[in-house]
Amino acid sequence: DAGVIQSPRHEVTEMGQEVTLRCKPISGHNSLFWYRQTMMRGLELLIYFNNNVPIDDSGMPEDRFSAKMPNASFSTLKIQPSEPRDSAVYFCASSTLRTAYGYTFGSGTRLTVV
Amino acid sequence: DQQVKQNSPSLSVQEGRISILNCDYTNSMFDYFLWYKKYPAEGPTFLISISSIKDKNEDGRFTVFLNKSAKHLSLHIVPSQPGDSAVYFCAASATGSNTGKLIFGQGTTLQVKP
Repeated sequence: DAGVIQSPRHEVTEMGQEVTLRCKPISGHNSLFWYRQTMMRGLELLIYFNNNVPIDDSGMPEDRFSAKMPNASFSTLKIQPSEPRDSAVYFCASSTLRTAYGYTFGSGTRLTVV
Repeated sequence: DQQVKQNSPSLSVQEGRISILNCDYTNSMFDYFLWYKKYPAEGPTFLISISSIKDKNEDGRFTVFLNKSAKHLSLHIVPSQPGDSAVYFCAASATGSNTGKLIFGQGTTLQVKP
């Protein structure tokens, strides 16, 4: 199993540009989570999906952030327009509901907005 | 409002000694707790967990203690090894919610000196 795959690994963009982060969960996992890591707040849950349906997006900081999961093998997190304060490492994780208390994380996308 | 708090951003110990990482939580609905370990440029990986029906769980050099009345848990690493140097995240879940949602703390960076 290739694990949770995130792309790109690094993204540098200018303020105001649209950024799209991608995630491929582990096959068979029916829950997908997007987290953001910052020094102040640690791993902050942005949104999660169960069976491709968004369940809780209360962690999405602003309307500039949106996430989709069109099928069981792909999810995107989009920021439009991006701002310097969005600079962080964004992680995607997946799990099965039966073992929902042990996530498998991807390697993350380090986003820098200049 | 940070429901899971790790108040020590960093900890430095000598190889062979005990490392104690602490975590506090505020939500009394949390009944399952986990520790994750994160190396640079990698995603967090599951380390050890504990259910609220227990007050201790041990796995090799790693032991997690839970004090429900104090809403406090700790991770003990004995003996500490240089390879243990990483960021450690505490996480909590309310299993009754049946969502698998994990709330993480800010993380503690552990440095084990040879």
